[in-house]
Amino acid sequence: EVQLLESGGGLVQPGGSLRLSCAASGFTFNNYAMTWVRQAPGKGLEWVSSISESGRNSYYTNSVKGRFTISRDNSKNALYLQMNGLKAADTAVYYCAKGPAIASWFDSWGQGTLVTVSS
Amino acid sequence: QSVLSQPPSASETPGQRVSISCSGSNSNIGSNHVHWYQQLPGTAPRVLIYRNNQRPSGVPDRFSGSKSGTSASLAISGLRSEDEADYYCATWDDSLRGVVFGGGTKLTVL
Repeated sequence: EVQLLESGGGLVQPGGSLRLSCAASGFTFNNYAMTWVRQAPGKGLEWVSSISESGRNSYYTNSVKGRFTISRDNSKNALYLQMNGLKAADTAVYYCAKGPAIASWFDSWGQGTLVTVSS
Repeated sequence: QSVLSQPPSASETPGQRVSISCSGSNSNIGSNHVHWYQQLPGTAPRVLIYRNNQRPSGVPDRFSGSKSGTSASLAISGLRSEDEADYYCATWDDSLRGVVFGGGTKLTVL
């Protein structure tokens, strides 16, 4: 059974940093692109970042470029999102998701981790 | 303001058919496959339709997808109360070099 388990969310002050993790199991991790999608309270889904199977290629939505870094450790079946310079607008539930390729659909999602940016 | 446009809400009675539209442009829907996600209240999204009209195993055939030009649509027939959810379309955008989502459509089964 595919499982994606996010962790690392919490309350952080504006300008602060957080590192989200996503532990994957039940599938061959290095065969899949991985993605972070967020959802602000009461709002819709917003794509944040994706990384290729090897980790060689990564993509970001404009609002997080230069502040967030996506990475993966295929030896640990883990996906990460380093978030720096956090803003109130980054407050959201962050989901990790897997897909067969970078520009493909997301066939499995985690349950999400809440990030709250507030003073 | 989402890159893909969806109606914010839709409603229909049980047993009936409802269609949800998703409008984009040449750089996204016009060039790439469209996928649909269902998000039940308080849960994570799940894929409902991928590659315009493909259903993952476990998704009832009451759900169907189509695409024409720069628009796509999701149809749900034989509506049931458990279909009440938010529905999102998504695709890759070649100009933005990223995934774009529609704003979501909240479906109410009356």
